[in-house]
Amino acid sequence: AQTVTQSQPEMSVQEAETVTLSCTYDTSESNYYLFWYKQPPSRQMILVIRQEAYKQQNATENRFSVNFQKAAKSFSLKISDSQLGDTAMYFCAATGGTSYGKLTFGQGTILTVHP
Amino acid sequence: DAGITQSPRYKITETGRQVTLMCHQTWSHSYMFWYRQDLGHGLRLIYYSAAADITDKGEVPDGYVVSRSKTENFPLTLESATRSQTSVYFCASSEFGFQETQYFGPGTRLLVL
Repeated sequence: AQTVTQSQPEMSVQEAETVTLSCTYDTSESNYYLFWYKQPPSRQMILVIRQEAYKQQNATENRFSVNFQKAAKSFSLKISDSQLGDTAMYFCAATGGTSYGKLTFGQGTILTVHP
Repeated sequence: DAGITQSPRYKITETGRQVTLMCHQTWSHSYMFWYRQDLGHGLRLIYYSAAADITDKGEVPDGYVVSRSKTENFPLTLESATRSQTSVYFCASSEFGFQETQYFGPGTRLLVL
């Protein structure tokens, strides 16, 4: 079984600033994957970034990067140069080898980017 | 259109009625999933399917039925709708299994009166 916890219900940031969203997880899997999904007001779920647990290098996608601390079971998302279009709900999610692709989601963090 | 689609996008029904939500993907992905999204719970898995004719329960399967006779379709049926099933429902698919990214449909907003 897996659990994913996002302890920040809401966050706000000024345009062009940097913000970090927190996520902790717990899993008994030895091989697992972690994801951040973005859900804008349209409600479409959009993949932001994906991290393979066996890789020590933190994943990066343009302005989005993660800080993956395996021992601490922490998986935070850093958004650099925040843009108004980054305003959305962000979900952290995990899946593992025996879970057949079933994603376990955190409760979400609402991020608001202010001009 | 290519991708993953859901229909209807909005649905209002009454308690006790049967409702079927449709999901269709054009990628021939093996895995398909149904999630519901409620305030304070994020997304929770209802059912999933690893291939045609192979389905299994997720975290919150009670009151729902699924089938998968064709790889591309994965309908979700509420046999007798209840108010607690008012939610936003998302279908997703992935090519193989757990290591693959899941791609989500646009969601169906269901209101049960």
